[in-house]
Amino acid sequence: NAGVTQTPKFQVLKTGQSMTLQCAQDMNHEYMSWYRQDPGMGLRLIHYSVGAGITDQGEVPNGYNVSRSTTEDFPLRLLSAAPSQTSVYFCASSPGQGTTGELFFGEGSRLTVL
Amino acid sequence: EDQVTQSPEALRLQEGESSSLNCSYTVSGLRGLFWYRQDPGKGPEFLFTLYSAGEEKEKERLKATLTKKESFLHITAPKPEDSATYLCAVQARHNFNKFYFGSGTKLNVKP
Repeated sequence: NAGVTQTPKFQVLKTGQSMTLQCAQDMNHEYMSWYRQDPGMGLRLIHYSVGAGITDQGEVPNGYNVSRSTTEDFPLRLLSAAPSQTSVYFCASSPGQGTTGELFFGEGSRLTVL
Repeated sequence: EDQVTQSPEALRLQEGESSSLNCSYTVSGLRGLFWYRQDPGKGPEFLFTLYSAGEEKEKERLKATLTKKESFLHITAPKPEDSATYLCAVQARHNFNKFYFGSGTKLNVKP
Protein backbone atom coordinates (compact mmCIF):
# COMPACT_ATOMS: atom_id res chain seq x y z
CA ASN A 1 0.00 0.00 0.00
CA ALA A 2 1.16 3.53 -0.78
CA GLY A 3 -0.57 5.02 2.28
CA VAL A 4 -0.98 8.81 2.03
CA THR A 5 0.46 10.39 -1.11
CA GLN A 6 0.99 14.14 -1.46
CA THR A 7 1.91 16.05 -4.60
CA PRO A 8 3.83 18.13 -5.36
CA LYS A 9 6.68 17.76 -2.86
CA PHE A 10 8.01 21.25 -3.59
CA GLN A 11 6.35 24.32 -5.11
CA VAL A 12 7.28 27.98 -5.52
CA LEU A 13 4.51 30.48 -6.16
CA LYS A 14 4.29 34.21 -6.66
CA THR A 15 1.97 36.28 -4.50
CA GLY A 16 -1.56 36.13 -5.88
CA GLN A 17 -1.16 32.87 -7.78
CA SER A 18 -3.44 29.94 -7.10
CA MET A 19 -2.64 26.27 -6.79
CA THR A 20 -3.90 22.97 -5.46
CA LEU A 21 -2.04 20.57 -3.19
CA GLN A 22 -3.13 17.02 -3.87
CA CYS A 23 -3.64 14.33 -1.24
CA ALA A 24 -4.71 10.73 -1.90
CA GLN A 25 -4.96 7.74 0.42
CA ASP A 26 -5.53 4.09 -0.45
CA MET A 27 -6.50 2.83 3.02
CA ASN A 28 -10.24 3.56 2.74
CA HIS A 29 -10.00 6.01 5.64
CA GLU A 30 -13.05 8.14 6.37
CA TYR A 31 -11.15 10.94 8.11
CA MET A 32 -8.72 13.18 6.23
CA SER A 33 -7.11 16.45 7.25
CA TRP A 34 -4.62 19.13 6.27
CA TYR A 35 -2.01 20.66 8.57
CA ARG A 36 0.63 23.29 8.14
CA GLN A 37 3.91 23.11 10.03
CA ASP A 38 5.90 26.25 10.77
CA PRO A 39 9.10 26.52 12.83
CA GLY A 40 8.34 26.81 16.54
CA MET A 41 4.58 26.52 16.05
CA GLY A 42 3.98 22.84 15.60
CA LEU A 43 1.32 21.38 13.37
CA ARG A 44 -1.85 23.46 12.98
CA LEU A 45 -5.07 22.06 11.57
CA ILE A 46 -6.36 23.84 8.45
CA HIS A 47 -9.40 21.78 7.37
CA TYR A 48 -10.66 18.29 7.92
CA SER A 49 -13.22 15.90 6.48
CA VAL A 50 -15.06 12.98 8.09
CA GLY A 51 -16.26 11.54 4.79
CA ALA A 52 -17.09 12.29 1.17
CA GLY A 53 -19.09 15.51 0.91
CA ILE A 54 -18.36 16.58 4.50
CA THR A 55 -15.70 19.15 5.41
CA ASP A 56 -15.12 21.50 8.31
CA GLN A 57 -12.68 24.18 9.42
CA GLY A 58 -9.72 23.72 11.71
CA GLU A 59 -7.62 26.31 13.58
CA VAL A 60 -6.25 28.24 10.58
CA PRO A 61 -8.69 27.93 7.63
CA ASN A 62 -8.43 31.44 6.15
CA GLY A 63 -7.01 31.50 2.62
CA TYR A 64 -7.61 27.79 2.02
CA ASN A 65 -10.47 25.83 0.45
CA VAL A 66 -11.14 22.10 0.45
CA SER A 67 -13.64 19.68 -0.98
CA ARG A 68 -14.10 15.91 -0.66
CA SER A 69 -15.82 14.29 -3.61
CA THR A 70 -14.37 10.81 -3.04
CA THR A 71 -13.15 8.83 -0.03
CA GLU A 72 -9.64 8.69 -1.50
CA ASP A 73 -8.91 12.34 -2.36
CA PHE A 74 -8.79 15.55 -0.31
CA PRO A 75 -7.23 18.45 -2.24
CA LEU A 76 -6.26 21.74 -0.60
CA ARG A 77 -6.69 24.90 -2.70
CA LEU A 78 -4.92 28.21 -2.25
CA LEU A 79 -6.98 30.76 -4.17
CA SER A 80 -4.59 33.73 -3.92
CA ALA A 81 -1.26 32.81 -2.35
CA ALA A 82 0.35 35.11 0.21
CA PRO A 83 3.88 35.00 1.69
CA SER A 84 2.31 34.07 5.06
CA GLN A 85 1.29 30.76 3.47
CA THR A 86 4.92 29.73 3.04
CA SER A 87 5.06 26.52 5.03
CA VAL A 88 5.26 22.75 4.93
CA TYR A 89 1.86 21.17 4.42
CA PHE A 90 0.93 17.71 5.62
CA CYS A 91 -2.09 15.63 4.76
CA ALA A 92 -3.18 13.01 7.30
CA SER A 93 -5.85 10.34 7.39
CA SER A 94 -7.38 8.09 10.02
CA PRO A 95 -9.76 5.15 10.01
CA GLY A 96 -13.19 6.05 11.31
CA GLN A 97 -14.34 9.60 11.84
CA GLY A 98 -11.26 10.73 13.74
CA THR A 99 -12.07 8.39 16.60
CA THR A 100 -8.89 6.35 16.78
CA GLY A 101 -6.49 9.26 17.03
CA GLU A 102 -3.80 7.48 15.04
CA LEU A 103 -3.11 9.75 12.10
CA PHE A 104 -1.28 8.50 9.02
CA PHE A 105 0.71 11.34 7.47
CA GLY A 106 2.00 11.97 3.99
CA GLU A 107 5.58 13.06 3.35
CA GLY A 108 4.66 16.73 3.10
CA SER A 109 4.57 19.49 0.48
CA ARG A 110 6.96 22.40 0.92
CA LEU A 111 5.44 25.63 -0.42
CA THR A 112 7.27 28.91 -0.85
CA VAL A 113 5.34 32.06 -1.76
CA LEU A 114 7.47 34.95 -3.04
CA GLU B 1 -8.61 26.91 24.90
CA ASP B 2 -7.06 23.54 24.15
CA GLN B 3 -3.29 23.70 23.93
CA VAL B 4 -0.11 21.66 24.21
CA THR B 5 3.35 22.76 25.38
CA GLN B 6 6.43 20.60 24.95
CA SER B 7 9.77 20.93 26.68
CA PRO B 8 12.64 21.14 26.17
CA GLU B 9 12.67 22.48 22.60
CA ALA B 10 15.91 20.58 21.96
CA LEU B 11 17.79 17.88 23.82
CA ARG B 12 21.27 16.54 23.18
CA LEU B 13 22.18 13.20 24.76
CA GLN B 14 25.12 10.88 24.63
CA GLU B 15 24.35 7.36 23.50
CA GLY B 16 23.13 5.43 26.54
CA GLU B 17 22.20 8.55 28.53
CA SER B 18 18.54 8.19 29.56
CA SER B 19 16.21 11.20 29.79
CA SER B 20 12.59 12.35 29.55
CA LEU B 21 10.61 14.67 27.30
CA ASN B 22 7.66 16.59 28.71
CA CYS B 23 4.25 17.39 27.22
CA SER B 24 1.96 19.65 29.26
CA TYR B 25 -1.61 20.03 28.07
CA THR B 26 -4.73 22.05 28.73
CA VAL B 27 -7.89 20.53 27.33
CA SER B 28 -11.50 20.52 28.45
CA GLY B 29 -12.03 16.79 28.69
CA LEU B 30 -9.16 14.71 27.36
CA ARG B 31 -10.13 11.96 24.98
CA GLY B 32 -6.59 10.91 24.07
CA LEU B 33 -2.96 12.00 24.11
CA PHE B 34 -0.68 10.91 21.29
CA TRP B 35 3.06 10.77 20.69
CA TYR B 36 4.57 10.93 17.22
CA ARG B 37 8.11 10.76 15.87
CA GLN B 38 9.15 12.95 12.95
CA ASP B 39 12.36 12.49 10.97
CA PRO B 40 13.76 15.39 8.90
CA GLY B 41 11.86 15.86 5.65
CA LYS B 42 9.23 13.27 6.57
CA GLY B 43 5.74 13.22 7.95
CA PRO B 44 5.10 12.34 11.61
CA GLU B 45 4.88 8.66 12.48
CA PHE B 46 2.53 7.44 15.21
CA LEU B 47 4.08 5.99 18.38
CA PHE B 48 1.55 5.81 21.26
CA THR B 49 -1.95 6.64 22.42
CA LEU B 50 -2.72 7.25 26.10
CA TYR B 51 -6.30 7.66 27.31
CA SER B 52 -6.31 8.00 31.08
CA ALA B 53 -4.09 9.16 33.96
CA GLY B 54 -1.78 6.40 35.14
CA GLU B 55 -1.65 4.67 31.79
CA GLU B 56 1.74 3.65 30.38
CA LYS B 57 2.80 2.37 26.95
CA GLU B 58 6.20 0.99 25.91
CA LYS B 59 7.97 0.39 22.62
CA GLU B 60 11.61 -0.64 22.55
CA ARG B 61 13.55 2.13 24.38
CA LEU B 62 10.52 4.44 24.66
CA LYS B 63 7.94 4.59 27.43
CA ALA B 64 5.08 7.07 27.54
CA THR B 65 3.22 7.96 30.73
CA LEU B 66 0.21 10.16 31.43
CA THR B 67 -1.01 12.26 34.37
CA LYS B 68 -3.97 14.64 34.52
CA LYS B 69 -1.84 17.57 33.36
CA GLU B 70 1.12 16.17 31.48
CA SER B 71 2.73 13.28 29.69
CA PHE B 72 6.33 12.13 29.66
CA LEU B 73 8.21 10.25 27.00
CA HIS B 74 11.03 8.40 28.72
CA ILE B 75 13.96 7.32 26.58
CA THR B 76 16.11 4.59 28.12
CA ALA B 77 19.68 4.07 26.87
CA PRO B 78 19.06 5.94 23.60
CA LYS B 79 20.88 5.16 20.38
CA PRO B 80 21.76 7.56 17.53
CA GLU B 81 18.85 6.18 15.50
CA ASP B 82 16.48 7.60 18.14
CA SER B 83 17.45 11.09 16.96
CA ALA B 84 14.28 12.80 15.67
CA THR B 85 11.68 15.35 16.65
CA TYR B 86 9.05 13.98 19.02
CA LEU B 87 5.58 15.51 18.83
CA CYS B 88 2.76 15.36 21.33
CA ALA B 89 -0.91 15.89 20.43
CA VAL B 90 -4.22 15.90 22.30
CA GLN B 91 -7.76 15.13 21.27
CA ALA B 92 -10.66 16.58 23.24
CA ARG B 93 -13.97 14.86 23.99
CA HIS B 94 -15.98 17.91 22.87
CA ASN B 95 -14.56 17.65 19.34
CA PHE B 96 -12.64 14.48 18.66
CA ASN B 97 -12.13 15.43 15.01
CA LYS B 98 -9.53 18.06 15.95
CA PHE B 99 -6.03 17.31 17.18
CA TYR B 100 -3.83 19.92 18.85
CA PHE B 101 -0.08 19.47 18.47
CA GLY B 102 2.82 20.81 20.48
CA SER B 103 5.84 22.29 18.73
CA GLY B 104 7.96 19.24 19.47
CA THR B 105 11.25 18.29 21.12
CA LYS B 106 14.20 17.82 18.80
CA LEU B 107 16.32 14.97 20.16
CA ASN B 108 19.93 14.47 19.08
CA VAL B 109 21.72 11.37 20.35
CA LYS B 110 25.46 11.42 19.80
CA PRO B 111 27.49 8.19 19.53
